[in-house]
Amino acid sequence: KQEVTQIPAALSVPEGENLVLNCSFTDSAIYNLQWFRQDPGKGLTSLLLIQSSQREQTSGRLNASLDKSSGRSTLYIAASQPGDSATYLCAVTSSGAGSYQLTFGKGTKLSVIP
Amino acid sequence: SAVISQKPSRDICQRGTSLTIQCQVDSQVTMMFWYRQQPGQSLTLIATANQGSEATYESGFVIDKFPISRPNLTFSTLTVSNMSPEDSSIYLCSPLLYNEQFFGPGTRLTVL
Repeated sequence: KQEVTQIPAALSVPEGENLVLNCSFTDSAIYNLQWFRQDPGKGLTSLLLIQSSQREQTSGRLNASLDKSSGRSTLYIAASQPGDSATYLCAVTSSGAGSYQLTFGKGTKLSVIP
Repeated sequence: SAVISQKPSRDICQRGTSLTIQCQVDSQVTMMFWYRQQPGQSLTLIATANQGSEATYESGFVIDKFPISRPNLTFSTLTVSNMSPEDSSIYLCSPLLYNEQFFGPGTRLTVL
């Protein structure tokens, strides 16, 4: 059974700082890995999707890497802003016949202090 | 990407009643997922619904409690039946489009 772990559970940084969020998964047989953002009481916004054959994806100030063999991914946020404050969720789609099930980590709650 | 809407966005319900949540997608999708997010927790998959077939439920979830409909490729409903306070959660639909899951804005349910 796939398990996804995110470290740290919470992070508080001053505005402008670069930061890294970590995600690990137990079963390397994945289709892809996604990073999501969730604001309090809201749905999920997809940030980046990395296919299993890719090593990284970039979108603006965000860069996500994937090391499938070691079961790890990182989300790098450059020059953090107060608007980046949210919970960041990592999720993997496990391989399997006809299966697209996403397994989520518990998230990292990020606070960017002005 | 996909434009996804859910109705209602939030509701407060009495114990023992039922609520039907609607999910509308602006694209035709074969596979639709329904998730639950209890307070302070991550997302848990309730069931997978393909158009034209019965939904497949995950362990701990049953059709009598969470009946799902998929009348066409752009619409789905999830009903939370005979609600109890433990059903208070955010419920999210998630269509699979181009091998990527997108998420609706969620329905925040509070059961008193």
